[in-house]
Amino acid sequence: GDSVTQMEGPVTLSEEAFLTINCTYTATGYPSLFWYVQYPGEGLQLLLKATKADDKGSNKGFEATYRKETTSFHLEKGSVQVSDSAVYFCALTTYYGNNRLAFGKGNQVVVIP
Amino acid sequence: DGGITQSPKYLFRKEGQNVTLSCEQNLNHDAMYWYRQDPGQGLRLIYYSQIVNDFQKGDIAEGYSVSREKKESFPLTVTSAQKNPTAFYLCASSPGTGGELAKNIQYFGAGTRLSVL
Repeated sequence: GDSVTQMEGPVTLSEEAFLTINCTYTATGYPSLFWYVQYPGEGLQLLLKATKADDKGSNKGFEATYRKETTSFHLEKGSVQVSDSAVYFCALTTYYGNNRLAFGKGNQVVVIP
Repeated sequence: DGGITQSPKYLFRKEGQNVTLSCEQNLNHDAMYWYRQDPGQGLRLIYYSQIVNDFQKGDIAEGYSVSREKKESFPLTVTSAQKNPTAFYLCASSPGTGGELAKNIQYFGAGTRLSVL
């Protein structure tokens, strides 16, 4: 079945540091890929998306490139702020009739001033 | 404002009790979903509905029930058969399913945190 794997453990970094969160996937078919962000006590918000190989999704300074050859969709931001502290989820869907989203386990990001 | 409203924000369940979580959307979306989130885990799909009066089991449907009598409403009942109900429950909706990406993007409510007394 479809699955998403995110790197283990929380990520703690200083303000203005470079952020990378790894995401790899397994899918039967050609998935669309997403990053969602969850701020404390809230639901999920769509951060960015990509639908085909080599597409780059971007939003609020975050970027991720759909790499079919490595089945990856790593999230990056060049200079994080304290307000970026949240949990980040990688997800995919293959649209096979029901639009089910498969989620990774999420990564807690803590940005220290 | 268009969006997805979940209520209540916090809910407590007693032993042997059924409780119902509300999810309402005014986005005119056809499809709605319920997910369960446990600490350190991703979201797991409980039930989904692609159209009014129809719904399908997700990966962890045991101990839960749903109804979809109106397009805008998709309530989730956590029954007494669910032995470990403590979790954060998220409702989502999408314009449709299948076809182009825009129909498939899921939008989420703010969630309901359920605890057992």
